[in-house]
Amino acid sequence: AQSVTQLDSQVPVFEEAPVELRCNYSSSVSVYLFWYVQYPNQGLQLLLKYLSGSTLVESINGFEAEFNKSQTSFHLRKPSVHISDTAEYFCAVSGDTGFQKLVFGTGTRLLVSP
Amino acid sequence: GAGVSQSPRYKVAKRGQDVALRCDPISGHVSLFWYQQALGQGPEFLTYFQNEAQLDKSGLPSDRFFAERPEGSVSTLKIQRTQQEDSAVYLCASSPMGLAGAYRSYNEQFFGPGTRLTVL
Repeated sequence: AQSVTQLDSQVPVFEEAPVELRCNYSSSVSVYLFWYVQYPNQGLQLLLKYLSGSTLVESINGFEAEFNKSQTSFHLRKPSVHISDTAEYFCAVSGDTGFQKLVFGTGTRLLVSP
Repeated sequence: GAGVSQSPRYKVAKRGQDVALRCDPISGHVSLFWYQQALGQGPEFLTYFQNEAQLDKSGLPSDRFFAERPEGSVSTLKIQRTQQEDSAVYLCASSPMGLAGAYRSYNEQFFGPGTRLTVL
């Protein structure tokens, strides 16, 4: 079985400041790791994923996450946030075999203010 | 192309009523998932279909919940005798492959907008 912990329920930050959203997971099998974003009244969108290979993965809008196997972490970072990044961010894990159901954390609300 | 669609987008039910939530997956997608997202929580897995076969229903919270996908495309999640604790957003996701996909190949899930169910 897998589980995901997002310790921060809400992260307030000023525009153009850096941000880190923390995610830790536990699993007894090999995993894929994901960050999803949910804007108000919209569905879940895949932000980035780690499947294998390079432990640093990047999204097209400047977010990055690093897979750390020894610390079982997959923290999300952005060096400079925009107002438009205000959203709910979910870390998720799945096994790498079978039907790969997603196990989500409880989410972190990123609040970017001017 | 069209993504995953769900209907209705919003549903208000009185306690004890039966409801049916519909999911139209991306055409040709083999796998279909249902998740439940309670207020302030992350989505939680309910059930999984590969074509018309329901291969995992371990996440369904009670026998009041029933899901089907009779022709391997559209799926319906039915909740009988709704209770207030059933209030949540119900998310549907589809993915192109099933269990028969290549070993350790990634099978991306595409999510619909969800149905927000409020039970009064």
